[in-house]
Amino acid sequence: DGGITQSPKYLFRKEGQNVTLSCEQNLNHDAMYWYRQDPGQGLRLIYYSQIVNDFQKGDIAEGYSVSREKKESFPLTVTSAQKNPTAFYLCASSIDPWDRGGNQPQHFGDGTRLSIL
Amino acid sequence: RKEVEQDPGPFNVPEGATVAFNCTYSNSASQSFFWYRQDCRKEPKLLMSVYSSGNEDGRFTAQLNRASQYISLLIRDSKLSDSATYLCVVNYLGNFGNEKLTFGTGTRLTIIP
Repeated sequence: DGGITQSPKYLFRKEGQNVTLSCEQNLNHDAMYWYRQDPGQGLRLIYYSQIVNDFQKGDIAEGYSVSREKKESFPLTVTSAQKNPTAFYLCASSIDPWDRGGNQPQHFGDGTRLSIL
Repeated sequence: RKEVEQDPGPFNVPEGATVAFNCTYSNSASQSFFWYRQDCRKEPKLLMSVYSSGNEDGRFTAQLNRASQYISLLIRDSKLSDSATYLCVVNYLGNFGNEKLTFGTGTRLTIIP
């Protein structure tokens, strides 16, 4: 079945440690996104990528890094510079919105909960 | 003013009732609109896209009012399984290749037996 797979489901980070969240999709989608969700807040965009080997900062990119070496994969690294990393992280993908006139919904993985030890 | 605003609720509604909630957006150039449903501690799932002419999917009806810059979701004959948080999502595609998808904070709905 096609879908988006995030791993791990739960992740614990020690002070000063970098951790990487995995996101893989087999939907053949061009665009991929990383969001962060905090209690009582909407999803906030961290990074997005519209095509392989290219990505753009979202609204809250500081303390995070990404790569897009393959179409199917868009890993997110939460670096030690991110001082408040505890959140629910969601990866999403969509068909390139510019291919189809823009009305393309995003489909989400089931998320990774990151906490600080 | 927030780019996308929703009443956070909670809305506590008896089973079988009809419930509606709105979402307002500030960017008049926004082009596409969606409603997502999010269950507790789970990922958002697309409920329906919102088209200019309005659209219906079973018990759910979505409307777009561009003049007043809001979208609405109506749920008829509500079921216990409709209990969830409903996220309003607004998409803007810029002329310079930028896309901005903005999520509301969600409206929490609880259906009471």
